[in-house]
Amino acid sequence: AQSVTQLGSHVSVSEGALVLLRCNYSSSVPPYLFWYVQYPNQGLQLLLKYTTGATLVKGINGFEAEFKKSETSFHLTKPSAHMSDAAEYFCAVSDLRERTGGGNKLTFGTGTQLKVEL
Amino acid sequence: NAGVTQTPKFQVLKTGQSMTLQCAQDMNHNSMYWYRQDPGMGLRLIYYSASEGTTDKGEVPNGYNVSRLNKREFSLRLESAAPSQTSVYFCASSLDRLFSTDTQYFGPGTRLTVL
Repeated sequence: AQSVTQLGSHVSVSEGALVLLRCNYSSSVPPYLFWYVQYPNQGLQLLLKYTTGATLVKGINGFEAEFKKSETSFHLTKPSAHMSDAAEYFCAVSDLRERTGGGNKLTFGTGTQLKVEL
Repeated sequence: NAGVTQTPKFQVLKTGQSMTLQCAQDMNHNSMYWYRQDPGMGLRLIYYSASEGTTDKGEVPNGYNVSRLNKREFSLRLESAAPSQTSVYFCASSLDRLFSTDTQYFGPGTRLTVL
């Protein structure tokens, strides 16, 4: 079974500073990996995803993540934090089936709350 | 496009009461999902429906039932609510073509409190 570990339930950065949110996964097959963001009182929206190909994935709002197989990691970064980035961020891994159909179940990490301070 | 809609937004129940959470999507997606979100636990899959007419259990199905009424709608029913079911419930949908990993789109959530 796959799993996701997000290190740090709360991360605080200054506006303009680097954002680094950590995600490690466990999967017995090549994973599909996702980062979602949840703003207060809203549903989740996709930031970016890795399926195959280039290991550095660029997403919306200036975020990017790099898939590192040797480290089983998929950390999320942004060079310069903005106040509007304050939200909760979830890393998720997809259940890889035989691709005969059957939905695409996601296993989520426990989330990291990002606080951006002036 | 409204995307994924959920009703109600908020609900308070007493222990033992029943209720149905409604979800609809207008994106012609094949797959639909129900998750619950609890503090410090992320999102956990309750049930999902890979296509119209099929449903399967997720990680935490006990105490819930689902119905995939048609391609658009996927409802979640609590037959006898318990305080442990106090949570925020999210519905999601995805196109889920074969040999692809399509994005799941989430609704705004239903905040349920069971007293």
